[in-house]
Amino acid sequence: DVKVTQSSRYLVKRTGEKVFLECVQDMDHENMFWYRQDPGLGLRLIYFSYDVKMKEKGDIPEGYSVSREKKERFSLILESASTNQTSMYLCGIENTGTDYGYTFGSGTRLTVV
Amino acid sequence: AQSVTQLDSQVPVFEEAPVELRCNYSSSVSVYLFWYVQYPNQGLQLLLKYLSGSTLVESINGFEAEFNKSQTSFHLRKPSVHISDTAEYFCAVSATGRRALTFGSGTRLQVQP
Repeated sequence: DVKVTQSSRYLVKRTGEKVFLECVQDMDHENMFWYRQDPGLGLRLIYFSYDVKMKEKGDIPEGYSVSREKKERFSLILESASTNQTSMYLCGIENTGTDYGYTFGSGTRLTVV
Repeated sequence: AQSVTQLDSQVPVFEEAPVELRCNYSSSVSVYLFWYVQYPNQGLQLLLKYLSGSTLVESINGFEAEFNKSQTSFHLRKPSVHISDTAEYFCAVSATGRRALTFGSGTRLQVQP
C-alpha cells in the first residue's frame, strides 16, 4: 500500500512568515493534492499536481502556492502566513492502480499567531 | 462541476441502534463515490467506495452504502453501531475529467452508551 507522509503533525508560525508544508509518497503516483479541512466546511481543494512541475489551482488557491520538483514530493507554500490560514492541511494521492482510490497523509495542524 | 451534500452535520445515536448518514451529490458526468472516516486526532481512512458493478458496497467493519443513480445518493448505513464508531464521516466524489475528490462538509457520528 502507498504511504503518504506529511513532515509535521503540528506547526505554529507567526503572521507574515513563509511556511512550507511537505508531503512525500513512497510510490510513483502522478496525481497529488493539497486540501485544507475546517469544521463545518469539510475538505476543500487548494492545489493539485498531475506530474512533476505541473500544477492546477483548486477551489481555494488564494494565498497559497505549490512546488513539485520531484515526483514523490509535493510542497504547499504559504508565502505570507495569515491567521485565517490556521487550519488542518491534508495531502493526498490518487492511486490509479488495481486498487483504485485516494490515500491521505495524517495531516498538519497549522496555527498562525 | 460536482458537489456533495451531507445533510446532517451531527448524528447522535445510542449504542447498538441502526444509523444512516446521508449523502447526495450532483454531477453532469459519471462519478466514483467514497466514504472516509476520521477518528479524533487522526487522518482520513477509506471506509468504502463505489467504482462500478454492484450498487451495494460493504466495509469490513459492518458499514454499507448503496449507490442510487436516480436519486444521486450514496447513503451510509450500519445496522448496529458501537461506541468505537464515534468519528467524523466524509462523503466524497470524483468525476470524469477532474481527478481531485470533492468532499461533503462531514457528519459527526456520536455513539452514546
